[in-house]
Amino acid sequence: NAGVMQNPRHLVRRRGQEARLRCSPMKGHSHVYWYRQLPEEGLKFMVYLQKENIIDESGMPKERFSAEFPKEGPSILRIQQVVRGDSAAYFCASSRAGINNSPLHFGNGTRLTVT
Amino acid sequence: QQQVKQSPQSLIVQKGGIPIINCAYENTAFDYFPWYQQFPGKGPALLIAIRPDVSEKKEGRFTISFNKSAKQFSLHIMDSQPGDSATYFCAASGGNEKLTFGTGTRLTIIP
Repeated sequence: NAGVMQNPRHLVRRRGQEARLRCSPMKGHSHVYWYRQLPEEGLKFMVYLQKENIIDESGMPKERFSAEFPKEGPSILRIQQVVRGDSAAYFCASSRAGINNSPLHFGNGTRLTVT
Repeated sequence: QQQVKQSPQSLIVQKGGIPIINCAYENTAFDYFPWYQQFPGKGPALLIAIRPDVSEKKEGRFTISFNKSAKQFSLHIMDSQPGDSATYFCAASGGNEKLTFGTGTRLTIIP
């Protein structure tokens, strides 16, 4: 049973470009979460999605950031017009039935570097 | 009120010793307290978790102690090994699907 798969592992973008980060949850998991980790800091919640629905995006910056989890295919975190401050590790996680009922499993992250 | 404060920032322990990592929270709505272990270049992995109805939970060499009145919880690692060297994060959630993480403790176990 494969874990949470994220790609790419590393992504380099110039300022102003778009970054697209992909996440395939564990098999049987319908709850997907995105977290951001800055160097030497803990993870910060960004967004929580279920299939075709954004449930909680209270941690997402209001501009340039968007997320989706379509009926078919992986969840996508999209960052438009990237700036240097977007450089971070972005982790996707999934759970079978929500974190109060089942464990949260994390992928190995996408490390975004903005030059 | 959403913060989880974690200490120490870094910790060096001799092999076989018992490292202790502490966390404190303010939000009384928190009712789920997991600990995660993270190795360099990897995602966090769930180690052990506790809910406020018990004061202690043990899984293998890992123990969580929970003090509801003080709003504090801690991780103890028994018989620590060099392979336990990693960054450890406490976290908390309550009433929603968001985990609030501490800032992490970099643990080094020396042989």
